[in-house]
Amino acid sequence: DGGITQSPKYLFRKEGQNVTLSCEQNLNHDAMYWYRQDPGQGLRLIYYSQIVNDFQKGDIAEGYSVSREKKESFPLTVTSAQKNPTAFYLCASQWGKGNQPQHFGDGTRLSIL
Amino acid sequence: DAKTTQPTSMDCAEGRAANLPCNHSTISGNEYVYWYRQIHSQGPQYIIHGLKNNETNEMASLIITEDRKSSTLILPHATLRDTAVYYCIVRVAWGETSGSRLTFGEGTQLTVNP
Repeated sequence: DGGITQSPKYLFRKEGQNVTLSCEQNLNHDAMYWYRQDPGQGLRLIYYSQIVNDFQKGDIAEGYSVSREKKESFPLTVTSAQKNPTAFYLCASQWGKGNQPQHFGDGTRLSIL
Repeated sequence: DAKTTQPTSMDCAEGRAANLPCNHSTISGNEYVYWYRQIHSQGPQYIIHGLKNNETNEMASLIITEDRKSSTLILPHATLRDTAVYYCIVRVAWGETSGSRLTFGEGTQLTVNP
């Protein structure tokens, strides 16, 4: 089935450790996005990429890094510089330009040990 | 992107229509209205979107007022599985501004009761 796959579903990070969240899509979508959701709140944009080998910072990029080496993949690294990483992380993708909707994966829940 | 206002919570009886309102009085002419829903601990699910005409798909109907300052999402026959937080989002089409983020507010918690 076509869709967006995020892994792992749950992830634990130790102090000072970098962790990478995976996002893969087989929808042939051009744009991909990473959002963060804290309990009881809406989504906040971390990074987005509209084409391969290019990405832009969102509203809360500090402490995070991304890469877009392939159209299908947009991994997010939560670095040790992110002091409050506990959250629900959501990856989304969108086909082409215009008014097409973004579609989301099922998320990764990151917690601190 | 224009700000939206939704009620915090709503209840609906199973099998009845659920009508979820959204105010977006500052919407611009090139902004679309999108609806998503999120069931606890899952990613948001796209429902429907429109510009100014009413839209219908297999999940729901979207009614946009003529002045485009408000809209209503209609779930025609609500089931228990429709219990979720529903988000109304206003956004320009990608290409008209740099980036195309979705700005999620707090949404409406819809509870469908048996």
